[in-house]
Amino acid sequence: GQQLNQSPQSMFIQEGEDVSMNCTSSSIFNTWLWYKQEPGEGPVLLIALYKAGELTSNGRLTAQFGITRKDSFLNISASIPSDVGIYFCAGHNYGGSQGNLIFGKGTKLSVKP
Amino acid sequence: NAGVTQTPKFQVLKTGQSMTLQCAQDMNHNSMYWYRQDPGMGLRLIYYSASEGTTDKGEVPNGYNVSRLNKREFSLRLESAAPSQTSVYFCASRPRGGALKAFFGQGTRLTVV
Repeated sequence: GQQLNQSPQSMFIQEGEDVSMNCTSSSIFNTWLWYKQEPGEGPVLLIALYKAGELTSNGRLTAQFGITRKDSFLNISASIPSDVGIYFCAGHNYGGSQGNLIFGKGTKLSVKP
Repeated sequence: NAGVTQTPKFQVLKTGQSMTLQCAQDMNHNSMYWYRQDPGMGLRLIYYSASEGTTDKGEVPNGYNVSRLNKREFSLRLESAAPSQTSVYFCASRPRGGALKAFFGQGTRLTVV
């Protein structure tokens, strides 16, 4: 079935640093979503991307829908301690199985004050 | 605005016991999902319901059953719990159409001993 490769698996950074993470797939997706999960909580949607090449920002977060439609990137600028959590990418393909969202395995972000 | 509500939040079961995890959404969404989250595995789809009256298997359906009781509620049943079903379970919902944004509940942490 479809799979998403999300990298890196984990990151340990200093407060104030910028962060980059990405998701790649062997399949084309029509939609990319980025979620953040804090400890003990469910994932919360950060950014949704609907067109190849689309670049969308949400505060210090910026995500891009890759031109090939097989990848997506999330950048966090000037990280702060509350950015800690697990970031998941999710892809959707209208031609895929029954409208399912395929999730990456997550990037665990730790921020040192 | 409650969004997606899951009950219970925590549960401990003995092997062989049965239980039902409840999920309700108040956003008038058509599609509802059950995922399980295990360390290093990301979110894996157990079952989903594209609309009221329909349910379909996801990636890991064995050992589970679901009921889409009405448009608001989607329950997940473990008939005979096994230690391999120890996990965090998330319910999600999303509207029909192009938005494709899934909203998650806070999760049920299940331990089977």
